[in-house]
Amino acid sequence: NAGVTQTPKFRVLKTGQSMTLLCAQDMNHEYMYWYRQDPGMGLRLIHYSVGEGTTAKGEVPDGYNVSRLKKQNFLLGLESAAPSQTSVYFCASSYSTSGIGQETQYFGPGTRLLVL
Amino acid sequence: AQKITQTQPGMFVQEKEAVTLDCTYDTSDQSYGLFWYKQPSSGEMIFLIYQGSYDEQNATEGRYSLNFQKARKSANLVISASQLGDSAMYFCAMREALTGGFKTIFGAGTRLFVKA
Repeated sequence: NAGVTQTPKFRVLKTGQSMTLLCAQDMNHEYMYWYRQDPGMGLRLIHYSVGEGTTAKGEVPDGYNVSRLKKQNFLLGLESAAPSQTSVYFCASSYSTSGIGQETQYFGPGTRLLVL
Repeated sequence: AQKITQTQPGMFVQEKEAVTLDCTYDTSDQSYGLFWYKQPSSGEMIFLIYQGSYDEQNATEGRYSLNFQKARKSANLVISASQLGDSAMYFCAMREALTGGFKTIFGAGTRLFVKA
């Protein structure tokens, strides 16, 4: 099992450019998440998905869009990148959000994004 | 208002000694989950331990144990017999259920330094 993978690992964008971050998981998890991590702060939830074809907003959704066309993939899009979106982005997945042990989120390795 | 508070930005511990990393949380929900994650310098997020709000016993996973004091709303991580490889950032997180969804909140983290 590869677990949770993210592509790309690192990217530099100019302000106004667009890009898509790809997250894939091979654990048959229902739930998937996108977080951003900024210096001195914990992770903040951007968007999440409770199943194929569904998405929902998290804590900091502005400036991002997501899609979950296949159960194993969760895409994060930046339509018009801004310097404030410079961050490390983590994808995670879990079986569910209830039940002992079922809520555990497994994280990808992260994507470092620099917006100039 | 802070939902997850980690009051120790940095901690030092001597190799082979035990260390406690503090975490307090704030919720009015009866059903929630508490997690600890480790983030080494390589950047990945590694799940360490989980405690459900209804679990009567403290969770343990190898050298990690979670000191869960529900009335005090604290979920401290105890690492026994520290190793050099334990040097990392440690994040406490809480999952609470919301109507029609859920929320996962991370603390700002504690950086642990293990001295030889």
